[in-house]
Formats: sequence, C-alpha cells, structure tokens
Amino acid sequence: DVQLVESGGGLVQPGGSLRLSCVASGFSFSTYYMAWVRQAPGKGLEWVANIKQDGSQKYYVDSVKGRFTISRDNAKNSMYLQMNSLRVEDTAVYYCAGGRGWLIDTWGQGTLVTASS
Amino acid sequence: EIVLTQSPGTLSLSPGERATLSCRASQSVGKNFLAWYQQKPGQAPRLLIYGASSRATGIPDRFSGSGSETDFTLTISRLEPEDFAVYYCQQYASSPITFGQGTRLEIK
Repeated sequence: DVQLVESGGGLVQPGGSLRLSCVASGFSFSTYYMAWVRQAPGKGLEWVANIKQDGSQKYYVDSVKGRFTISRDNAKNSMYLQMNSLRVEDTAVYYCAGGRGWLIDTWGQGTLVTASS
Repeated sequence: EIVLTQSPGTLSLSPGERATLSCRASQSVGKNFLAWYQQKPGQAPRLLIYGASSRATGIPDRFSGSGSETDFTLTISRLEPEDFAVYYCQQYASSPITFGQGTRLEIK
C-alpha cells in the first residue's frame, strides 16, 4: 500500500523550532515531487512548500520563506520540514503529500503543530 | 498568485440529487492544471479530479469535472450519503500552488 507517515508535531512556544519528518512506503519515492500542505483548525488547505525529485528545486509560500526549509533523503524514503521562528499563525495540521509533478495524488494523515505560549 | 474562488460556500442537498460546485480562477490556469479534492472530517484530502476533467484512480463515475481557463465545475450526478464532505479546487500550474476556500456539501 502507498503510505506517507508524518511525525514530529507537537506544542512549541512562539519563536521556537520543530522538525517534521515524513516516511514514504509502497511507491518509488525518488520519482515523486513532494510537498507539505497545512490546515489551520477549522480552516481550508494551504500549500506550504514543495521539492523536486532530486532536491534541486524548492518552492515556498511567502509566509514561510526564510523560516521553513524543506529537504529530502531519497535513500531513506524521507522528507523533512525544518520550521524555525514559529508563529501562532503556523498552528495547523501539517500534511506530507506527493505526486509525479506538482499534482498531489498521495497524502499522509497529518501531524498537528501548535505554536502557543 | 492565482486566487481560486469557490461557490457556493455551503450547498444543502438530499441524497440522489445533483450537485454542481464552481471554482473560478483570477487568471488562466494554463493547460487546465486544475484539481478537485474531497475531505471528510478528521481525514486527509482525497484526489477526485485532475487536469480539470480526468478522474483519479478509483473515483466513481458520478464525479465529473469540466471547464477551462478560469471557470471550472465539479458535478456529482447523484449524491450518495458518503459524498457529503468539503470539496476544494486547487491549481498546480504555477507557484505558489493555491487552493480554493472550499465548498461544504451538507445533507438537507
């Protein structure tokens, strides 16, 4: 079965850092464009960042540029999101997602990040 | 940035009825890089339609997508009880990838 499993979420104070991880199984991870998409409580979906199959291209939504870094390790079938200088408004469920291009056809179940004092 | 506006915000229908959901883009979505997702409470989104009109694997044929350029539609021909959920359109033509704000389809 195709599966994406996120981990690393939790409660952090504003200004703090967290590192999210996503482990893939059941498909050829190195052929997939990967992304992080978030959803604030009771709100809609917001794309955060994506990364090309070989890691050579990365794109970010403006609100996280300079604070978040997306990366991947194809040897470990894994993707990461380093989140620094977290803000209250970053509070959301973060989904690991992917597809063969920018189209997302595979989603994890999400991990909750709460930035609160 | 391409802004997607979905309408209506909430749609109240009964099982067996036809649902028509709209998604309008602020500028042309080149090559119809427009997708639709379904999300149920506590679950991750599920891809329904891509390329504006192609059904994803395993999606029933009561779901269909149409449209081009800036105006797109998701149609559910006969609503089943499991179809009541929130639906999002998404453009993947240019960065940043953007989603509409969602249409909630509720049981009347």
